[in-house]
Amino acid sequence: NAGVTQTPKFQVLKTGQSMTLQCAQDMNHNSMYWYRQDPGMGLRLIYYSASEGTTDKGEVPNGYNVSRLNKREFSLRLESAAPSQTSVYFCASSLLGSYNEQFFGPGTRLTVL
Amino acid sequence: TQLLEQSPQFLSIQEGENLTVYCNSSSVFSSLQWYRQEPGEGPVLLVTVVTGGEVKKLKRLTFQFGDARKDSSLHITAAQPGDTGLYLCAGWGFGNEKLTFGTGTRLTIIP
Repeated sequence: NAGVTQTPKFQVLKTGQSMTLQCAQDMNHNSMYWYRQDPGMGLRLIYYSASEGTTDKGEVPNGYNVSRLNKREFSLRLESAAPSQTSVYFCASSLLGSYNEQFFGPGTRLTVL
Repeated sequence: TQLLEQSPQFLSIQEGENLTVYCNSSSVFSSLQWYRQEPGEGPVLLVTVVTGGEVKKLKRLTFQFGDARKDSSLHITAAQPGDTGLYLCAGWGFGNEKLTFGTGTRLTIIP
């Protein structure tokens, strides 16, 4: 059981470049989430998918898109990266009916120059 | 928007001392969770409290959910260097599909 995996672990982009962050879980969880973590800001929700086939905006969705490819995979895309998107990105998953207890991946540290 | 404020933001104490971290909101939550995050890793769930006034113990850690379900505290007895990390509270509102995370308390235990 790998839990929640994320790729890549580190990435450096130039302003305007695009990239996709990948996330997969093997716990048969229904819901998946993308967060960003910035110093002093805690975790802020970007997008979430309550179940396969649905996605919804979180607190800070601007500049991002997501795809729930299947029950296991949930990707986050930056179409035109900006320095304000420099952050650590975490993917998480949870099981419906479990008080939304979340299992997190190891994170992707993204720097946009 | 539901907000969770944690205090203190930073705490540095000697090994063996006791400490309490607070998580406060003006909103009512159906349940509240505490996570610990170590450098370079994702947060890991410590506990979930679901009933107003509930107290849960995890070895030297004691978690309490406020009677009004608006606040929570984490008390650590005889802190150890292994307790060092970022502690995050997170609340699940009624009818929501997502958690609201607090701002975090960065705890350092000095040997």
